Amino acid sequence: KAGVTQTPRYLIKTRGQQVTLSCSPISGHRSVSWYQQTPGQGLQFLFEYFSETQRNKGNFPGRFSGRQFSNSRSEMNVSTLELGDSALYLCASSLDSPSNQPQHFGDGTRLSIL
Amino acid sequence: SQKIEQNSEALNIQEGKTATLTCNYTNYSPAYLQWYRQDPGRGPVFLLLIRENEKEKRKERLKVTFDTTLKQSLFHITASQPADSATYLCALDIKAAGNKLTFGGGTRVLVKP
Repeated sequence: KAGVTQTPRYLIKTRGQQVTLSCSPISGHRSVSWYQQTPGQGLQFLFEYFSETQRNKGNFPGRFSGRQFSNSRSEMNVSTLELGDSALYLCASSLDSPSNQPQHFGDGTRLSIL
Repeated sequence: SQKIEQNSEALNIQEGKTATLTCNYTNYSPAYLQWYRQDPGRGPVFLLLIRENEKEKRKERLKVTFDTTLKQSLFHITASQPADSATYLCALDIKAAGNKLTFGGGTRVLVKP
């Protein structure tokens, strides 16, 4: 079974630009969660999608958004990029609720803001 | 406020010994607790999940305990090997926040041959 695939692996942007990251979950998994990981703040929850609906949201500004398609693939978008958005963005998929099931993570997209 | 604490100092351990990591939490009543391993430049990998009504769970050389009275989980790696060197993260569900998963800061383990 193929694992969670995230594209691109690396991305360099400048302040003020916007970016879209993609995540393909494990086949059959309907829940996709997104996380931001930085050395200072660790792994922080962004949002979770299930069957194309945002089911849960973390404490991030509205510049961070996401969506999920009917095939469970998900994208997240960050608009008006700031230097502080430099981070590893991880997505994880599971059959259902991430709280009581193993999360399968991709290897992330490393986003650098210049 | 809610907090999950893992020892931020790296744990250096000799090969063959048992590594013990702690995960303490405050102001939570999690129903589930998970442990993950993360290698540099990679995403976390799921290791174990334990429920609030389970005291202990094992998988090969790994053992997790969950004490809801002490608000603590212990993670043990027995007969540690250099390949066990990684960062280990605990994660808890927060019922009040719609069951989202919240991660601790992780503890880095270095097993020396």
